[in-house]
Amino acid sequence: DGGITQSPKYLFRKEGQNVTLSCEQNLNHDAMYWYRQDPGQGLRLIYYSQIVNDFQKGDIAEGYSVSREKKESFPLTVTSAQKNPTAFYLCASSMVRGHRGYTFGSGTRLTVV
Amino acid sequence: DQQVKQNSPSLSVQEGRISILNCDYTNSMFDYFLWYKKYPAEGPTFLISISSIKDKNEDGRFTVFLNKSAKHLSLHIVPSQPGDSAVYFCAASAGTSGTYKYIFGTGTRLKVLA
Repeated sequence: DGGITQSPKYLFRKEGQNVTLSCEQNLNHDAMYWYRQDPGQGLRLIYYSQIVNDFQKGDIAEGYSVSREKKESFPLTVTSAQKNPTAFYLCASSMVRGHRGYTFGSGTRLTVV
Repeated sequence: DQQVKQNSPSLSVQEGRISILNCDYTNSMFDYFLWYKKYPAEGPTFLISISSIKDKNEDGRFTVFLNKSAKHLSLHIVPSQPGDSAVYFCAASAGTSGTYKYIFGTGTRLKVLA
């Protein structure tokens, strides 16, 4: 079955460390997205990519970095520059054309300790 | 500036009754709208969509209404069931922007009481 996989489900990070969240999809979707969910703030877009080797900043890109070397993969690195990294991170994918919405992964809960 | 707003953070409804979740938007370029349902610690799942050329779309117990002049959409769930208890997000996109990037509201937590 096609789908989108995020790993790990739970991640703990010490302050000052970088950490990378994995996102892989086998839906043959062109576009991939990273969102962050905080209580009372809905889903906020961090980065998105519509094509391999290209990506754009979303609304809250500071302190994050991404790469899109393969169509199937869109890893997100949370750097030490991100001031409030503790959150629930969601990866999604979609076709670029056609309003079919997003398919979301099951999320990664990142906690800074 | 929040382009998609869900002004009710929570809603409680008795089982069997109608649940109405509301969503307002400010960008008149939005032409496609989605509703997602999310359980805790899980990713959102797609529920129902509507294009701006329609004012209603129905799928089983779920109906979405769009009022373009008021820039308002609503999701009706009839009858409500305890399994419907979740957070519901509305999302909007402007296809003419070329990116099909969706803007999400802040969500409404629905609790269906047995």
